[in-house]
Amino acid sequence: DIQMTQSPSSLSASVGDRVTITCRASQSFSNYLNWYQQKPGKAPRLLIYAASSLKSGVPSRFSGSGSGTDFTLTISSLQPEDFATYSCHQSYSPPYTFGQGTKLEIK
Amino acid sequence: QVQLQQSGPGLVKPSQTLSLTCAISGDSVSSNSAAWNWIRQSPSRGLEWLGRTYYRSKWYNDYALSVKSRITINPDTSKNQFSLHLNSLTPEDTALYYCAREATANSLDYWGQGTLVTVSS
Repeated sequence: DIQMTQSPSSLSASVGDRVTITCRASQSFSNYLNWYQQKPGKAPRLLIYAASSLKSGVPSRFSGSGSGTDFTLTISSLQPEDFATYSCHQSYSPPYTFGQGTKLEIK
Repeated sequence: QVQLQQSGPGLVKPSQTLSLTCAISGDSVSSNSAAWNWIRQSPSRGLEWLGRTYYRSKWYNDYALSVKSRITINPDTSKNQFSLHLNSLTPEDTALYYCAREATANSLDYWGQGTLVTVSS
């Protein structure tokens, strides 16, 4: 299995801050890396697919980058509705795997 | 607009079999460009992919190694839905279970509402 190591596990930030979340894969693969946002009591919501493609309807303050083993999710200017848990997901080869999640909290 | 509606029990006894169904609207379980996945989530294990079924001239399945001996995912073309069957349950199978569609770049773009499954006698 490809292991996904996500960091940090939690992050405190303020509205307007720029934040970056990282996922590192245990082996290199192409751009089959996706990012999800999850709020309490809700299913995950796809934000970014194929490492850097923004899903339709997702605000442009979200962006993704990376290839090989290192991938990042960046939120350019945090908004109040962005405080949630974020998870990466490799869909390069089954069994698919997820990162452990990053809980983004208000400072 | 794709929608996935889950159904199934919330409480199952140890050693029994969990059966969940995911009804699809806005797409087809027989689509040649989608796959249909089950994922679960627990505080101890986070998000855990369980498996998928998909049609590419014939039906295929992939399963996580952790549950491969206990899991079956079946399509039902007559009802446009797919199901999860997980047998020999233990309390460690207690989790929130989701179904999801896999589409562009194998991302999971639509999710069911989730079913909290508790394994307890």
